[in-house]
Amino acid sequence: DVKVTQSSRYLVKRTGEKVFLECVQDMDHENMFWYRQDPGLGLRLIYFSYDVKMKEKGDIPEGYSVSREKKERFSLILESASTNQTSMYLCASEGFYEQYFGPGTRLTVT
Amino acid sequence: DQQVKQNSPSLSVQEGRISILNCDYTNSMFDYFLWYKKYPAEGPTFLISISSIKDKNEDGRFTVFLNKSAKHLSLHIVPSQPGDSAVYFCAARTMYNNNDMRFGAGTRLTVKP
Repeated sequence: DVKVTQSSRYLVKRTGEKVFLECVQDMDHENMFWYRQDPGLGLRLIYFSYDVKMKEKGDIPEGYSVSREKKERFSLILESASTNQTSMYLCASEGFYEQYFGPGTRLTVT
Repeated sequence: DQQVKQNSPSLSVQEGRISILNCDYTNSMFDYFLWYKKYPAEGPTFLISISSIKDKNEDGRFTVFLNKSAKHLSLHIVPSQPGDSAVYFCAARTMYNNNDMRFGAGTRLTVKP
């Protein structure tokens, strides 16, 4: 079974803080993704990585950056958290056209 | 632009009956379609998929139907069970592009005992 883990299930941060969300997969997948899920909007792609040190912007990259120094690890960084970044963040790893998701991090920015 | 639409935010069904969840898409380049199931406080889990060369794929109680001309797919669950209560996301992508998977907004299914 593919396992995708995320560093935190729940996180509360203050406006302006730098936030790191980490994701690790154990299937040697090349492609990894960060999404945010908001009610009524489904899952929206923030960033995508197709190899170590390679990344591409998704649909809503503003206010976010990513890092992929090792194949199994993909980090999402909120440079200066804002209240409109309060959301559920989901990491996914892809194998054979199907994406496998981590449990999600519920981030609240106050 | 929402390229994948799930127009029913919620659906309630009696245990043992059929659940039908619908999904429409606008991009004719999509050639692979997936359904995910999500319980509260968990990530989505892959349920079933179908490629555009097929019009039906079945896995146990779950069947996905694809109507390419109508750009419509549906997920049938028969018989529905209380444990099926979850949010179901429809997703679509092209098989040649790594980063174009698009998700619908989800449909919350409640199966009543």
